[in-house]
Amino acid sequence: DTAVSQTPKYLVTQMGNDKSIKCEQNLGHDTMYWYKQDSKKFLKIMFSYNNKELIINETVPNRFSPKSPDKAHLNLHINSLELGDSAVYFCASSRTSGRGDNEQFFGPGTRLTVL
Amino acid sequence: AQSVTQLGSHVSVSEGALVLLRCNYSSSVPPYLFWYVQYPNQGLQLLLKYTSAATLVKGINGFEAEFKKSETSFHLTKPSAHMSDAAEYFCAVTPPGNEKLTFGTGTRLTIIP
Repeated sequence: DTAVSQTPKYLVTQMGNDKSIKCEQNLGHDTMYWYKQDSKKFLKIMFSYNNKELIINETVPNRFSPKSPDKAHLNLHINSLELGDSAVYFCASSRTSGRGDNEQFFGPGTRLTVL
Repeated sequence: AQSVTQLGSHVSVSEGALVLLRCNYSSSVPPYLFWYVQYPNQGLQLLLKYTSAATLVKGINGFEAEFKKSETSFHLTKPSAHMSDAAEYFCAVTPPGNEKLTFGTGTRLTIIP
């Protein structure tokens, strides 16, 4: 069974379009995250949700909107896609300890290409 | 703010040789430290983590790391490199009481046959 899954794996789209990436975890975790990995492999957190509540909201354009319908799902919707949005987007999940010492489990990533 | 610096964006070692990947952190208090590995076209997988229980931490696949407060370092080592170790390695940090994980810029490890 896949612990953290993302769909789609690849997404190729035109500038200006709106797209969504879905993430699901079956680990029973209460916190989920979205990360962006750029072409130089640099990983940066975008958002995190704990029990459907937004906890971390980094400096991300408001064209990006996360939505968590329940603890097991965290989706990412992107409006008006731009060339600079091309990247690999990773979903992750963890069990919140309140200490910051828990392992985060990552999905396989979604490679977004904006033409 | 917490941060980590990984020295060397690319490291090449011969098969069977020692692997040493460097990570230094900046923090006013001892943070929690992690090493993650990313194989080509895959997500990240935890190798090991430091959570103040022991300064020498053993992880999966024969890797280990030592937390040195005096040097603010958490270098990753493996005594004998294997071809399957070729991957991107990331050092990461969270401040105590915070779930926000901050990654270093990564080190690509190449194994020479």
